[in-house]
Amino acid sequence: GEDVEQSLFLSVREGDSSVINCTYTDSSSTYLYWYKQEPGAGLQLLTYIFSNMDMKQDQRLTVLLNKKDKHLSLRIADTQTGDSAIYFCAESSRGFQKLVFGTGTRLLVSP
Amino acid sequence: NAGVTQTPKFQVLKTGQSMTLQCAQDMNHEYMSWYRQDPGMGLRLIHYSVGAGITDQGEVPNGYNVSRSTTEDFPLRLLSAAPSQTSVYFCASSYSPPSTNEKLFFGSGTQLSVL
Repeated sequence: GEDVEQSLFLSVREGDSSVINCTYTDSSSTYLYWYKQEPGAGLQLLTYIFSNMDMKQDQRLTVLLNKKDKHLSLRIADTQTGDSAIYFCAESSRGFQKLVFGTGTRLLVSP
Repeated sequence: NAGVTQTPKFQVLKTGQSMTLQCAQDMNHEYMSWYRQDPGMGLRLIHYSVGAGITDQGEVPNGYNVSRSTTEDFPLRLLSAAPSQTSVYFCASSYSPPSTNEKLFFGSGTQLSVL
């Protein structure tokens, strides 16, 4: 079955770049997503990338996809304290009517 | 526009009790789903529905029932609560199943403790 793995914790200083990594096993993944969960709230979609792309940039966010290694990363430039949250990667596959989420990476940004 | 509304926000149950977690959306979404979130395990899919009258099992369906009699509502029933069901439950919906670039809209969660 599908499996999505992330490291559990990342700590950075304000103004630095953050890189959150994710690996997945399903080679038929069609879309890969990054969701953000702030304390006490549900998840919100940050960005997504289609499997035939290798990079997508959206303001401070850069998503890199290495399909050969099944590796996805999210880079946040100029990280702010408001970026402190849990970040989940997720993947969907054509024909599978569900998203499979990773374990989530807790990002802590210190002043 | 309320989005996805979950009730209650918090619930404490005794082992063996039954209850229903409510989920309603006002966006005319066909696809609705229930996830549970546990520390170190991310979100795991319990049940999902691609439209009224249609439901299917996710990764961890045991101990839970769902029904989808209307497009708006997708209640999750715990038949006989167990301590292993202590978790945070999220309902999520989208226009179509997420095997596209559809965005999932999440409710704010229900924190359930089973003693």
